[in-house]
This record gives sequence, structure tokens and C-alpha cells, in this order.
Amino acid sequence: KQEVTQIPAALSVPEGENLVLNCSFTDSAIYNLQWFRQDPGKGLTSLLLIQSSQREQTSGRLNASLDKSSGRSTLYIAASQPGDSATYLCAVRGDSNYQLIWGAGTKLIIKP
Amino acid sequence: SAVISQKPSRDICQRGTSLTIQCQVDSQVTMMFWYRQQPGQSLTLIATANQGSEATYESGFVIDKFPISRPNLTFSTLTVSNMSPEDSSIYLCSVRSESPDTQYFGPGTRLTVL
Repeated sequence: KQEVTQIPAALSVPEGENLVLNCSFTDSAIYNLQWFRQDPGKGLTSLLLIQSSQREQTSGRLNASLDKSSGRSTLYIAASQPGDSATYLCAVRGDSNYQLIWGAGTKLIIKP
Repeated sequence: SAVISQKPSRDICQRGTSLTIQCQVDSQVTMMFWYRQQPGQSLTLIATANQGSEATYESGFVIDKFPISRPNLTFSTLTVSNMSPEDSSIYLCSVRSESPDTQYFGPGTRLTVL
């Protein structure tokens, strides 16, 4: 049974720092992995999607990597800004028709 | 992309009552998903709502407690029945896009049961 873990549960850093959020999964046979952002009262927004055959994806200041063999993904945020404050969720899809399996999220606070 | 709205955005309810949450999508979709997010926890899929057939419930969730309607391809409702404080959660409606393969979420309904 796939399990997804995100560490740390919470992170507070000063503005401008580069930071890394971690996601690990127990079953390496995945279809894809996604990173989402959750803002209070605004639902979830998809940030990056990495297919199982890919190693990384980039969007602006965000870079997500995937290492299936070790069951890990990282979300790198460059030059953090207060607007990046949110909860970041990692989700894994085991097969094209399978549901997403979610981590509990990392609550990120960027201090001005 | 899909734009999803949910009503109500939040509610405070008494134990033993029921609440119906509405989900509206701006495009026609085959499957709609209902999730629960308890405080400090990850998202848990409650059920998949298919138009024209009964919803498919995940382990631990039953139709009597969480009845779902799907009258057309853009709308669904989730009812939380006979509520207890343990039902206090955020309830999220979601649809899946095939290209790109991602999911879109409504803003959520924050439910507090006293």
C-alpha cells in the first residue's frame, strides 16, 4: 500500500532564502507525482507534475525533482517571497486510473 | 483548466443534523471527486461521483453517512448526515483533467460540528 510522507511538517524561513521541501513514497511503481499548493479558503492549485519517466520539472522559481528508485521527490523554491507562504502537498498516482495518494503537507511561512 | 465553486464556504452545525455541500464546475466532466481533509491531515478520498450511476465509495465511507448526488455533468452534492464533532473537516470537490493530467479543486467547505 502506497504511503506518502512529507518532512518537515512546518517550516519558517526569512524572505529571500532558497529552500527544499521533501516528499517520500514507499512504492516506486508510480505513474506520476504532483506538487500542489493550498491556501486557506482557496482550495488546492497544481504547481508541477512529473511523469514517472521524468527526472525534474521547472516552473519559474520552482523546481521539482523525482528519484523513483529511492522513492523521493523534492520541491525547490528559489528566492522565497512572503507570497510563497502556504501549505505544499505532494501526491502520487500509482497508475493512470488510480486515485492520488496524498502526503500531509508542509506548512511554509516566509517571514518578511 | 476547470473552475470549481462550492457552497457553503463554511458552516457551523449542531450534532445530529445534516449538511449538503454543493459543487459546480464550469465545464462538463465525467468524474467528480469528494475529499475530506481533517485538521493537520492529508486529503482522503471519500467517493467518486459518476453521472448517471451511483457513487463509488472508498473504504471507510458509506452511502448512508455521505450520500452523493450527480444529476448532470457539471454539478454534484455531498451530504454529511447525522453529524458528530468527528466530521469537522474541510470537504473538497475535485475534477481530473486528462491533458495535462492534473486535478482541479474547489475552494473547500470548512465544516465545524459542535
